[in-house]
Amino acid sequence: QAVVTQEPSLTVSPGGTVTLTCGSSTGAVTSGHYAYWLQQKPGQAPRTLIYGTTYKHSWTPARFSGSLLGGKGALTLSGAQPEDEGHYYCLLLDSGVRVFGGGTKLTVL
Amino acid sequence: EVQLVESGGLLVQPGGSLRLSCAASGFTFSDHYMDWVRQAPGKGLEWVGRTERKGNSYTTQYAVSVRGRFSISRDDSYKSVSLQMNSLKTEDTAVYYCARRSLRDGHYFLDYWGQGTLVTVSS
Repeated sequence: QAVVTQEPSLTVSPGGTVTLTCGSSTGAVTSGHYAYWLQQKPGQAPRTLIYGTTYKHSWTPARFSGSLLGGKGALTLSGAQPEDEGHYYCLLLDSGVRVFGGGTKLTVL
Repeated sequence: EVQLVESGGLLVQPGGSLRLSCAASGFTFSDHYMDWVRQAPGKGLEWVGRTERKGNSYTTQYAVSVRGRFSISRDDSYKSVSLQMNSLKTEDTAVYYCARRSLRDGHYFLDYWGQGTLVTVSS
C-alpha cells in the first residue's frame, strides 16, 4: 500500500495564494490516481473539494483548484479567506485501494 | 436532504467485536457505493473500505490494516450499511464515518458524510 505524503502545516496570508501537494511513495502522481482533496474543520466531518484531480463540486469555492504539479497532486488556494483554515487531506487511488495522506493544517494568518 | 447517521460506537476490549451501522435517507440508497472512513483521535483520515452496488455484486474492498478483520455489508431495503469489526485492536480506536460515493464527470468521489460514531478499544 502506498504512503501518501503532504506538508504537515502551511500558513498563508489573507488574500494570498498557497499550494498544497500530495506525493506517493510508489512514484509520480498521475491522473490515474484520481486525486481527491478534502477539507475538514474542527468538530466537523470532512467534505470533498476536488475529485478526479481537477473537478470541483458545486459547493467548492472558485478560489480552490486542483492540478498535477511536479509529479504530485496539488491543491491551490488563490485569495485565501479566514474560513479556509482547517485540515486538508489528499486521497489517492492506488492499486484499487484508496489511501489518505496525513493531512496539511492550513493556517490563514 | 441527504442524511447519513452512524450508530453503534462503544467502548470495547481488545480482541472484541463490534458492529456499526449507518442509516441513509434523502436519496436512492441502492444507486450508490458506500464507504467507511475512520479518524483516530487527533489524527488524520484513514480509508477503511467500501461496498459497491447490487449491479457490481456488492463487491467490497478494504484497507490493508483491516483486511480479514472487518467486513462491510449493506441492506438496500433498509437503506443501511454496516461495518462488522472483529479482533479489535487498540489502534482501531477512532471516529468511524460512513460516506456516500457518487459518480460525477466520470469520477467517483465521497460527497456526503455522516457525523461519525466513536469506537474506543481499551481494556
